[in-house]
Amino acid sequence: GESVGLHLPTLSVQEGDNSIINCAYSNSASDYFIWYKQESGKGPQFIIDIRSNMDKRQGQRVTVLLNKTVKHLSLQIAATQPGDSAVYFCAENGNTDKLIFGTGTRLQVFP
Amino acid sequence: DAGVIQSPRHEVTEMGQEVTLRCKPISGHNSLFWYRQTMMRGLELLIYFNNNVPIDDSGMPEDRFSAKMPNASFSTLKIQPSEPRDSAVYFCASSLRAGDQPQHFGDGTRLSIL
Repeated sequence: GESVGLHLPTLSVQEGDNSIINCAYSNSASDYFIWYKQESGKGPQFIIDIRSNMDKRQGQRVTVLLNKTVKHLSLQIAATQPGDSAVYFCAENGNTDKLIFGTGTRLQVFP
Repeated sequence: DAGVIQSPRHEVTEMGQEVTLRCKPISGHNSLFWYRQTMMRGLELLIYFNNNVPIDDSGMPEDRFSAKMPNASFSTLKIQPSEPRDSAVYFCASSLRAGDQPQHFGDGTRLSIL
């Protein structure tokens, strides 16, 4: 029979618009969170991280927001470009030495 | 600066054969991680090392899988004997410290077992 893989949610945005990718994390003890970008044929690439003593952190064109009350993490990408098209993963540490990765969101940027 | 280097990039072999995947972490990083990525299960942690010592191998699927880190600049993941269900992309990652520092990934080894 046909194998069923993980169903990745997809976010489609127009070039130049802002993108918001959301992630619900599972462990309230997590104190470190991180976003990765994975392009086809490549390994996950570190984008930005945030610790639990912060609510917001900004990088170049990216912002991560952390809401510990509802265990929610988001990645905002300003002025989305075609090169931003990829799968984006959030990860939490569960207050351990390991990272627990989400299933990912596919971002598609169209002209 | 050199990132995490993995070899080979692609490996195709017949079931029953021994497979060895190699990883050179970023110089100065003290933690090394091996992951497996498949469409069905996503990204799974197999094993990680701190200062060349295996800390947690609970993600290693079976005794057919083994990993070593003989020194700070080299690690191997071995599968013997290999099976078709081992087909996946295997990633190595390293970080300055486990748990609260970014892990930096190599570009992976795409393994196909026929």
